[in-house]
Amino acid sequence: QKEVEQNSGPLSVPEGAIASLNCTYSDRVSQSFFWYRQYSGKSPELIMSIYSNGDKEDGRFTAQLNKASQYVSLLIRDSQPSDSATYLCAVSGNNRLAFGKGNQVVVIP
Amino acid sequence: GAGVSQSPSNKVTEKGKDVELRCDPISGHTALYWYRQSLGQGLEFLIYFQGNSAPDKSGLPSDRFSAERTGGSVSTLTIQRTQQEDSAVYLCASSFPDSYYGYTFGSGTRLTVV
Repeated sequence: QKEVEQNSGPLSVPEGAIASLNCTYSDRVSQSFFWYRQYSGKSPELIMSIYSNGDKEDGRFTAQLNKASQYVSLLIRDSQPSDSATYLCAVSGNNRLAFGKGNQVVVIP
Repeated sequence: GAGVSQSPSNKVTEKGKDVELRCDPISGHTALYWYRQSLGQGLEFLIYFQGNSAPDKSGLPSDRFSAERTGGSVSTLTIQRTQQEDSAVYLCASSFPDSYYGYTFGSGTRLTVV
């Protein structure tokens, strides 16, 4: 089993809609969880961190964590064309972050 | 510095040559990480430094790869006798004190081996 899995294929959403991204992880002792955004040809940029079960909101972004189910999600409300990017889920453990392969989001005007 | 600085931004090298990639982390960040990202692939961990020591080198793909960090600051990733499969974007990241709070990436070095 991979450390961090993001299984969904590319996600196309109309402008103004909600984009929902999911991630599962294998290490039960992981303590911190992150979502990074990566524009094409650029490096990853940290957009959300979450450390405890429940929801954490920051502007149009909401991260959700369920440690019992080993599940992290990201919601993007009122999606904008500038949200079109690849979103990487990352989980801490063994002195480093393990990353999922990412989900591409395309926001259609 | 204000951010993580990597140089060069692009490097084209001939197969069999050695290359050095440099990373200058955010001032005060004690932890430094190297990853690589091949086209369409995820981020592959290479090595982790805490200060000048490298407690985790488990991701280095072969003995052609080595890295060092001096003065608790600048790090150099060296690839000897480059191969075409080494072509990728090499990303450096730093954090304080460890990965718990996430880390900041540099803009990367795009390495092309021809």
